[in-house]
Amino acid sequence: GAGVSQSPSNKVTEKGKDVELRCDPISGHTALYWYRQSLGQGLEFLIYFQGNSAPDKSGLPSDRFSAERTGGSVSTLTIQRTQQEDSAVYLCASSLGTGTGSPLHFGNGTRLTVT
Amino acid sequence: AQTVTQSQPEMSVQEAETVTLSCTYDTSESDYYLFWYKQPPSRQMILVIRQEAYKQQNATENRFSVNFQKAAKSFSLKISDSQLGDAAMYFCAYRSGDTLAGSYQLTFGKGTKLSVIP
Repeated sequence: GAGVSQSPSNKVTEKGKDVELRCDPISGHTALYWYRQSLGQGLEFLIYFQGNSAPDKSGLPSDRFSAERTGGSVSTLTIQRTQQEDSAVYLCASSLGTGTGSPLHFGNGTRLTVT
Repeated sequence: AQTVTQSQPEMSVQEAETVTLSCTYDTSESDYYLFWYKQPPSRQMILVIRQEAYKQQNATENRFSVNFQKAAKSFSLKISDSQLGDAAMYFCAYRSGDTLAGSYQLTFGKGTKLSVIP
């Protein structure tokens, strides 16, 4: 596709349930990022994938959060045993390379609401 | 750790007028990149403009320009001839230029909500 695609657009789940959020990066982009945006806050880094290298998981807030990237393309962010504080918009971004000047291209995000 | 501060939670501007959004950052590095992103209600973050710290010349993209003051660690965004479509959240972001440190993540400010008054 032309841009970064995320699904679902919105997700409402009950506390304690597991959720999976999907991200399709721009074709040819080797770097993929997940960010979390809570209400009224900036973006909080969660995890970064670059090619076949080990991902940088330093931003994941707890062991309930995990992410994988299959075949160097699609990524899934999984939140287990969701809590109300997990409610936020989860944004995925991709970039062309590892150059630090390479801009990130973002998707429209998934708004997660935990009831 | 780097921090990015946007001191104006909300700003408003009359259509066709000029507005400046402020951003300051804290870093001990000399090589880095600065970005302004726009987030309309669609939630998608859109790159507005990028500045390399080693360049003294301020970046410009059509109606958008920056005032980059490296010594003061200031990176303000000026929007000229404001249009209704400029209404959005604007985020300032920092990225280290130290590739060996693997500093590829962006650090964002908390944003400024810009309203454009017809």
